[in-house]
Amino acid sequence: AQSVAQPEDQVNVAEGNPLTVKCTYSVSGNPYLFWYVQYPNRGLQFLLKYITGDNLVKGSYGFEAEFNKSQTSFHLKKPSALVSDSALYFCAVRDRAGGFKTIFGAGTRLFVKA
Amino acid sequence: NAGVTQTPKFQVLKTGQSMTLQCAQDMNHEYMSWYRQDPGMGLRLIHYSVGAGITDQGEVPNGYNVSRSTTEDFPLRLLSAAPSQTSVYFCASSLRPNEKLFFGSGTQLSVL
Repeated sequence: AQSVAQPEDQVNVAEGNPLTVKCTYSVSGNPYLFWYVQYPNRGLQFLLKYITGDNLVKGSYGFEAEFNKSQTSFHLKKPSALVSDSALYFCAVRDRAGGFKTIFGAGTRLFVKA
Repeated sequence: NAGVTQTPKFQVLKTGQSMTLQCAQDMNHEYMSWYRQDPGMGLRLIHYSVGAGITDQGEVPNGYNVSRSTTEDFPLRLLSAAPSQTSVYFCASSLRPNEKLFFGSGTQLSVL
């Protein structure tokens, strides 16, 4: 069965420092991997996805993520955090064996301090 | 271009009442899903559909029914509301499995 783990409930980082939000997954086949962000009192917005190819994918707002098949991880990164990046981040996985349903992790709250 | 439209935005029910949360998309998306969001538990999949006439259970289907008679609509029915169903509900859709999900604005449901 598909599953997604986000091991950190919260990540704190100072503005201007690099940030990493961790995600590991478990699927039967080849995964489609996604990151979404949710700002307060708003819906979810797509950040980036990995389907195939280059292990480093770039997305919106300067975010990027690195796919590591051997470690079954898809960590979200940004070289220099902004206060406005403070939000709730969700990792998600989809695969053919799972009927293409999308399963989300529990979310990681990112706090960027000025 | 409306995208994914959910109604109502807010709803208060008494225990045992039934209701239907509406979801419609105008993007001709085959894939549609319902999620509930609870603090500390992320988004949990209730039911999903890969096309008109096809539905399947997600992670937390008990107490909910769905149907998909058209490509556009994917209503979620609460059969007999319970306080444990107090949550924020999101409908989402996508064109293909390797495409992003588009989300509705959510329904905040309270069951007293």
